[in-house]
Amino acid sequence: SQQGEEDPQALSIQEGENATMNCSYKTSINNLQWYRQNSGRGLVHLILIRSNEREKHSGRLRVTLDTSKKSSSLLITASRAADTASYFCATDANNNDMRFGAGTRLTVKP
Amino acid sequence: DAGITQSPRHKVTETGTPVTLRCHQTENHRYMYWYRQDPGHGLRLIHYSYGVKDTDKGEVSDGYSVSRSKTEDFLLTLESATSSQTSVYFCATESGGDDTQYFGPGTRLTVL
Repeated sequence: SQQGEEDPQALSIQEGENATMNCSYKTSINNLQWYRQNSGRGLVHLILIRSNEREKHSGRLRVTLDTSKKSSSLLITASRAADTASYFCATDANNNDMRFGAGTRLTVKP
Repeated sequence: DAGITQSPRHKVTETGTPVTLRCHQTENHRYMYWYRQDPGHGLRLIHYSYGVKDTDKGEVSDGYSVSRSKTEDFLLTLESATSSQTSVYFCATESGGDDTQYFGPGTRLTVL
């Protein structure tokens, strides 16, 4: 069964706007990761946040983690057309058993 | 795709035939994974390996077997393909140091 559930399922914004995606999960985790998938390609790792961290930044990406609410958010600032992709959260509760959500499909219109 | 290749990239086969998918890595990563991706389900873990000849089942392992005879290769076999195994299959590797997984380009399998 899926561990992470992304929200919204689809998001369409204009270039330059910020995009926020959310992930909720059900059990305690060691870490939570966000991945991007361009159409027809494999997943690419974006950022990892550990259970004892609350916020992490990487370039235009900002990830927050609230373990009390079992939720995380991914913020992409100043979006670009090249950010168009599906974004997945993945939770690592037990070693080697990472669970992925169904993803958020982001479309950034030029 | 960080030195991970999958073969074949596309395959069409008939129900009841055996199928083997290959994942090859040049990263010398200890861990290797096979996932399937279906609409509405995200990625689901089929099997994984934590070393040569060391494998374990994932969430959706029924109907699949794996083998890892050397570090760089991880094979996924569908013993008798069924239409429900039509999917996109991804291989991933992990060094074991930072929990980050690196994915191959995927294999699109269609079982008629």
